[in-house]
Amino acid sequence: AQTVTQSQPEMSVQEAETVTLSCTYDTSENNYYLFWYKQPPSRQMILVIRQEAYKQQNATENRFSVNFQKAAKSFSLKISDSQLGDTAMYFCASRDGNTGKLIFGQGTTLQVKP
Amino acid sequence: DAGVTQSPTHLIKTRGQHVTLRCSPISGHKSVSWYQQVLGQGPQFIFQYYEKEERGRGNFPDRFSARQFPNYSSELNVNALLLGDSALYLCASSLTGALSNQPQHFGDGTRLSIL
Repeated sequence: AQTVTQSQPEMSVQEAETVTLSCTYDTSENNYYLFWYKQPPSRQMILVIRQEAYKQQNATENRFSVNFQKAAKSFSLKISDSQLGDTAMYFCASRDGNTGKLIFGQGTTLQVKP
Repeated sequence: DAGVTQSPTHLIKTRGQHVTLRCSPISGHKSVSWYQQVLGQGPQFIFQYYEKEERGRGNFPDRFSARQFPNYSSELNVNALLLGDSALYLCASSLTGALSNQPQHFGDGTRLSIL
């Protein structure tokens, strides 16, 4: 069974600084996808960034980038130039290539301080 | 274009009752998934439907059931409600089913409280 682990329950960062959120996963699948979702207090789950496991190049989306280490089964999220609007709970998720279901980690609450 | 819409936004029920939650996917999306998110935890997969057929089921009791209609909207039904069913229920839609890198887009959820 797939598992996703986020070992940092809470983190904080000063506005404009850089922060890295950690995520490890375990899967026996060869075909899978990895995602980071953001859930602000408004509770809607918003896609931040995604990575296909077969691609070696790390995905980037503006201020958000990932460090994908396939052999180590690690998928961390780096947020550069943090903004107050980045304050939210962040979930790492693995998508089973056979069933399509998302397996979520426990989440990391990120607070960006002014 | 409208995103994933869920109704109702909030619901209060008592133990033993039945509840129906509704979800309309993004226009053109044919796959709908349901997740349960207990406060302070990550969402847990309940069901996935694609082209009106169940394509996946999570580790939930038979009290939980769902269906997808010809217009690709979906209902999640929960019978004999328990206190532990109190949670945020999230619906997500995607263009296609499993064998795709298409991401799932989430609605705002239905907050279900059981008294």
